[in-house]
Amino acid sequence: SQTIHQWPATLVQPVGSPLSLECTVEGTSNPNLYWYRQAAGRGLQLLFYSVGIGQISSEVPQNLSASRPQDRQFILSSKKLLLSDSGFYLCAWSADTDQPQHFGDGTRLSIL
Amino acid sequence: LAKTTQPISMDSYEGQEVNITCSHNNIATNDYITWYQQFPSQGPRFIIQGYKTKVTNEVASLFIPADRKSSTLSLPRVSLSDTAVYYCLVGTEGSGTYKYIFGTGTRLKVLA
Repeated sequence: SQTIHQWPATLVQPVGSPLSLECTVEGTSNPNLYWYRQAAGRGLQLLFYSVGIGQISSEVPQNLSASRPQDRQFILSSKKLLLSDSGFYLCAWSADTDQPQHFGDGTRLSIL
Repeated sequence: LAKTTQPISMDSYEGQEVNITCSHNNIATNDYITWYQQFPSQGPRFIIQGYKTKVTNEVASLFIPADRKSSTLSLPRVSLSDTAVYYCLVGTEGSGTYKYIFGTGTRLKVLA
């Protein structure tokens, strides 16, 4: 069966520090991968999606970036975190559709 | 881009049927409508997906009128554990690819 893993579950970082969140999918090949952010009490905002290795589409211009070094690995990064980067970050994948089907458990990021 | 509109919140009592409607006037012609359930500090979970008319699975039913400009998620006999935020998701064509925008969701509170 397919599974999706995100880590870490929680993260507290100072303003200006770098960020690296990792997401991996198991049990499937060539999935579409997504990064979403959810601010407290708000809906989900699509940040990046990828249809293949090295293919990244950015939905929201900001100080975040994404990379897909392997077929089932999706990484969200930042060189310098801002206070506004706080939120709940969710990775998702889908197989034969452009809609996210399965979400990870998320990373709660707090910026101090 | 397509936007979805849902009621912000709803209250219900255990054992009642709950219907949550989502408006999506600009849904793409060939796109599906998907509903998700999200508990606090967890990723959204796929509930049901449909294209037109009615779809039913073990947890919910989805009603879609002929014009597909709205959809209604029906939860039969809700329990306290159904308290969650429910999102509908549709896509719209843009720049040759689908764009999927989550709305703010409906916060369902089931009361004893």
